[in-house]
Amino acid sequence: DAGITQSPRYKITETGRQVTLMCHQTWSHSYMFWYRQDLGHGLRLIYYSAAADITDKGEVPDGYVVSRSKTENFPLTLESATRSQTSVYFCASFGQGVSGANVLTFGAGSRLTVL
Amino acid sequence: GEDVEQSLFLSVREGDSSVINCTYTDSSSTYLYWYKQEPGAGLQLLTYIFSNMDMKQDQRLTVLLNKKDKHLSLRIADTQTGDSAIYFCAEIRSGGSYIPTFGRGTSLIVHP
Repeated sequence: DAGITQSPRYKITETGRQVTLMCHQTWSHSYMFWYRQDLGHGLRLIYYSAAADITDKGEVPDGYVVSRSKTENFPLTLESATRSQTSVYFCASFGQGVSGANVLTFGAGSRLTVL
Repeated sequence: GEDVEQSLFLSVREGDSSVINCTYTDSSSTYLYWYKQEPGAGLQLLTYIFSNMDMKQDQRLTVLLNKKDKHLSLRIADTQTGDSAIYFCAEIRSGGSYIPTFGRGTSLIVHP
């Protein structure tokens, strides 16, 4: 299916565990982003990528790692999950949409709970 | 300022028009977007406007852009209860890192 998909949609884990959230887009957009959304904080940028093998920190990168070996995939890893990382995580890509205009499109989100 | 600013809440009666306002940061921003987020859901792209446009209309939605004042508005005609959601505006500046900047969102409540 065309679009941007995130998995898993829901995840419960324990403090100290490693968790990877997957993001896959079918448009070959160069730019991809990871955000977290928490009440009272809006959307906060964790990491972004301008192209394969090019990644950079956003506003709240601590405790997260990303990679981008292929244009279509941009996984986000929590190396040792903490309760403060309980959040909803959104992946997005920026590039030409079906209308021909450059648009920013979001995945459906991954809701992570760290116990 | 450095932030994209939106008012936090808007309450309207069903059938009235809603106007959600946004002040963005950079008068040279090329891409400006409106997103809708319903409870428990993701961000759905509603509409967009580019800096070479002043207005865009799409069915019940009208976007107005005032580049001089760096002001963006979203008008929803004939507002329905299904329009109740949080609305985010976002800007992306071209020629740079293409990192989006978001407002904190406006919670639209539509009552009968």
